[in-house]
Amino acid sequence: DAGITQSPRHKVTETGTPVTLRCHQTENHRYMYWYRQDPGHGLRLIHYSYGVKDTDKGEVSDGYSVSRSKTEDFLLTLESATSSQTSVYFCAISGDRGRYNEQFFGPGTRLTVL
Amino acid sequence: QQQVKQSPQSLIVQKGGISIINCAYENTAFDYFPWYQQFPGKGPALLIAIRPDVSEKKEGRFTISFNKSAKQFSLHIMDSQPGDSATYFCAASTQGGSEKLVFGKGTKLTVNP
Repeated sequence: DAGITQSPRHKVTETGTPVTLRCHQTENHRYMYWYRQDPGHGLRLIHYSYGVKDTDKGEVSDGYSVSRSKTEDFLLTLESATSSQTSVYFCAISGDRGRYNEQFFGPGTRLTVL
Repeated sequence: QQQVKQSPQSLIVQKGGISIINCAYENTAFDYFPWYQQFPGKGPALLIAIRPDVSEKKEGRFTISFNKSAKQFSLHIMDSQPGDSATYFCAASTQGGSEKLVFGKGTKLTVNP
């Protein structure tokens, strides 16, 4: 497995509370991504990063923010969690273009918002 | 225009049979088409990928067929095995820019013994 860890792996929280998910890589890859996976929707991109402090929105970014202060860490924050954000969250990384965009995924975080 | 449409949503195949999953896209700027395999409780993993300068790519029992004029590509799994039971996602991207992938909604494959 590519050196990607996600923490926590499981979390149950209540509506309105802030939540931060962490993605850590040991591959020194430039690109990092946050996806959510929901039945019937596949994988949808939330935010991505193309370098330290360089981030941009994906398809479903509303209600989420991200930060990347170091190459190895990419944080996803739900400022005020809602039940619609109950999902499995995956972090992914990819290297330079020579790898033809292969993305390596982490093990996922299952988040439940009550 | 950014969508990738995948079908079927689920597929049941007998051991030894051929599994076929199809994807279609609209954005003619896409030039990289990977397939990802995901087992329950795990993250997706790259299975096989193709670029539009070839019409077919084969790796073991897995083959991608690509039809550029129809803007379609498909995954064929020959001699399907119970261990192939997983969810498969097609995806597409352009080589330039932010390296973003657009994923299909997935196909749950069940291979019966």
